[in-house]
Amino acid sequence: AQKVTQAQTEISVVEKEDVTLDCVYETRDTTYYLFWYKQPPSGELVFLIRRNSFDEQNEISGRYSWNFQKSTSSFNFTITASQVVDSAVYFCALSKEDSNYQLIWGAGTKLIIKP
Amino acid sequence: DGGITQSPKYLFRKEGQNVTLSCEQNLNHDAMYWYRQDPGQGLRLIYYSQIVNDFQKGDIAEGYSVSREKKESFPLTVTSAQKNPTAFYLCASSTLAGGPSTYNEQFFGPGTRLTVL
Repeated sequence: AQKVTQAQTEISVVEKEDVTLDCVYETRDTTYYLFWYKQPPSGELVFLIRRNSFDEQNEISGRYSWNFQKSTSSFNFTITASQVVDSAVYFCALSKEDSNYQLIWGAGTKLIIKP
Repeated sequence: DGGITQSPKYLFRKEGQNVTLSCEQNLNHDAMYWYRQDPGQGLRLIYYSQIVNDFQKGDIAEGYSVSREKKESFPLTVTSAQKNPTAFYLCASSTLAGGPSTYNEQFFGPGTRLTVL
């Protein structure tokens, strides 16, 4: 069965520290997509990245970077030099088998950045 | 500005009442979605629609109903049959998938927090 596991329920770090959020997935599909979304306290989810299973290159966007490893079925997200504004709940999601609209969502990781 | 609006932001319902949550988008997206979020949990899909006048049930459709009479609008009705409706409801939209095994990112509205009194 498909599954997305975000084992870290809550992480708390001091500002300027680097932090990695883990995402492990299970799927039988050979072609699939992975997503990361940010949910700040306001509640609206903000799209961060989409990665398809054929592209294993790591991605960097400013202080954000993503490490996709098919061998370990992981798609981890690192924030470098964290800032208070990074405080949010972060969700990892996986495309659902036999559908090109539905996603399987992880439970989310609450990230707290302390000043 | 293009985006998704949801109203109201907060909604209180008495037991036995039906309530309707509004979702409007001006992104010209064909696909729209309704999700439910409970504390400490991920999102669960209630309904989605790929085209006007058509919609499909998600994982937790029981006790909910939707309509899609216009491309821009996808209202969700929480009926009295929904036994535990207190939750945060999120509406999203996306462009149509380009083909089999393709996925486009979803854009979300600010959400409606529903509380049953």
